[in-house]
Amino acid sequence: AQSVTQLDSHVSVSEGTPVLLRCNYSSSYSPSLFWYVQHPNKGLQLLLKYTSAATLVKGINGFEAEFKKSETSFHLTKPSAHMSDAAEYFCVVGFSGGYNKLIFGAGTRLAVHP
Amino acid sequence: KAGVTQTPRYLIKTRGQQVTLSCSPISGHRSVSWYQQTPGQGLQFLFEYFSETQRNKGNFPGRFSGRQFSNSRSEMNVSTLELGDSALYLCASSFRTGGIRNEQFFGPGTRLTVL
Repeated sequence: AQSVTQLDSHVSVSEGTPVLLRCNYSSSYSPSLFWYVQHPNKGLQLLLKYTSAATLVKGINGFEAEFKKSETSFHLTKPSAHMSDAAEYFCVVGFSGGYNKLIFGAGTRLAVHP
Repeated sequence: KAGVTQTPRYLIKTRGQQVTLSCSPISGHRSVSWYQQTPGQGLQFLFEYFSETQRNKGNFPGRFSGRQFSNSRSEMNVSTLELGDSALYLCASSFRTGGIRNEQFFGPGTRLTVL
């Protein structure tokens, strides 16, 4: 069975400091992993995706994530947080059952303080 | 290119009623998936439609149903509404189905409140 675990439900950082949102996955297959962001009352926006081409994945708005098979992790990072980064972030694994289904983590709410 | 659109954006219904939500995918996309988002259960897969056929359904009761039209637009129906059906319903479109690497694009959601 495939699953993702987001290790922190809430993360709080100061503007200009680094962001680290942690995600561990479980998958019997070579996984596809995604990070999505959701701003209040908005839909989900894809930040980045891992599809086995490169272990360090760069996304939009300065975010990146590193796929570590040995640690079954896919942590999201950003060198310097902006106020506009405050949102909920979801680590997601693509289901391998032959149809389009995403399996979501529980989410991490990121707060950015001035 | 226009994104995924969902109508209506907000709905208020009472228990026992039924509701229909609509989703128009990105032009050229033939796969539409539906998800339910609640504070308690998070984001859960409801079902996927591709070329007017339901590909699979998540663990939801038969009160939840859907369909897809020849222009790829999809509707989701919930009958005999319960309080627990209050949620944000998101649809996502994709160009193809069946691949774990398929990127899905989400609409803004429909917020359903059941009183």
